[in-house]
Amino acid sequence: DAGVIQSPRHEVTEMGQEVTLRCKPISGHNSLFWYRQTMMRGLELLIYFNNNVPIDDSGMPEDRFSAKMPNASFSTLKIQPSEPRDSAVYFCASSLGKRGVAYEQFFGPGTRLTVL
Amino acid sequence: SQKIEQNSEALNIQEGKTATLTCNYTNYSPAYLQWYRQDPGRGPVFLLLIRENEKEKRKERLKVTFDTTLKQSLFHITASQPADSATYLCAQGGGTASKLTFGTGTRLQVTL
Repeated sequence: DAGVIQSPRHEVTEMGQEVTLRCKPISGHNSLFWYRQTMMRGLELLIYFNNNVPIDDSGMPEDRFSAKMPNASFSTLKIQPSEPRDSAVYFCASSLGKRGVAYEQFFGPGTRLTVL
Repeated sequence: SQKIEQNSEALNIQEGKTATLTCNYTNYSPAYLQWYRQDPGRGPVFLLLIRENEKEKRKERLKVTFDTTLKQSLFHITASQPADSATYLCAQGGGTASKLTFGTGTRLQVTL
């Protein structure tokens, strides 16, 4: 298996532009997580899905952020409009699991986003 | 609210020694703790999971303990090697959700 795939790996954009990050989870995994990592705040959970349904989006910073999972093999995280403070590394992770059960998470390589 | 705290200062040790990293949590005991390794420019990689009813877990040179009285987990790497140099993240989970809350990580540097 190729593992979790994220694209693009690097994104540089200007403030106000729309940014779309993409993720393909490991086949057969039914939970998908979006994280943001910065030096100041560490690794923060933004949103997670179980069986393509958003379960907890309490970590989404504000309405500028949205995430979708139209099917079991694809998810997007969109930022519109982007701001310099959104600059971070965004990770997607997937796992087998059901609610309340602990399973290891498999992380993608991340997307490094820079908003100028 | 529940917090996961790790020593933000880097830990420098000599090759062959045992490295010990600390993860403290506040308030309630999480149902389980997970430890991950993260190398620069890469995503975290799962290492070990320990549940609250387990005192200790081992995997090769790695050992994790869970002390609910001290509200602490210790992560040990015995016979450390320069290749063990990385950032190690502690994460808690439990309840009705399958999500994890991560600590900020501790950077380990193993020198010759």
